[in-house]
Amino acid sequence: EDQVTQSPEALRLQEGESSSLNCSYTVSGLRGLFWYRQDPGKGPEFLFTLYSAGEEKEKERLKATLTKKESFLHITAPKPEDSATYLCAVQANDNFNKFYFGSGTKLNVKP
Amino acid sequence: NAGVTQTPKFQVLKTGQSMTLQCAQDMNHNSMYWYRQDPGMGLRLIYYSASEGTTDKGEVPNGYNVSRLNKREFSLRLESAAPSQTSVYFCASRGTSSGDTQYFGPGTRLTVL
Repeated sequence: EDQVTQSPEALRLQEGESSSLNCSYTVSGLRGLFWYRQDPGKGPEFLFTLYSAGEEKEKERLKATLTKKESFLHITAPKPEDSATYLCAVQANDNFNKFYFGSGTKLNVKP
Repeated sequence: NAGVTQTPKFQVLKTGQSMTLQCAQDMNHNSMYWYRQDPGMGLRLIYYSASEGTTDKGEVPNGYNVSRLNKREFSLRLESAAPSQTSVYFCASRGTSSGDTQYFGPGTRLTVL
């Protein structure tokens, strides 16, 4: 069964305190792995797509990496405006229209 | 360029009432999706439309129907609402210009009493 597990469920950081969010997945064949940011009361906002193990993508203080079983979203020197829920999703090879989402990590960055 | 729009933003229904959630995209995307998001759970796919004129079931289709009205619009209908359908509903679209990436609307918060 295809599934995605994100950890931790919630993370509180001080401003400037770097950390990582984890997304582990089980899928019959991975087409792509996606990271989204979701602010309260809003729809998910696209951050990154990763396609193959070893791939890395960066945007400002965020860096996403991918292995054969999991992905990490590294947050370097976070700021309060990075506070949000971060969602991970996988797209399977057998049907490009089926995406499986994790339940997210809620990040709170204190000034 | 508005991206993906959804109406209404909020809705309260009584058990047994019906309603239609509307979604439109202006990115010329072929594929459109309906998800529901419940506390502590990931987004779950209800139905999708890979192209105009086609629709397919997702993970949780029971109690819902969809219509792909044209390339821009994809609606979700609840024929007889139940309290278990209280959720936040998101529409998304994906197309050649976006590769595999889905772009989401702002959501509809539905409460069924």
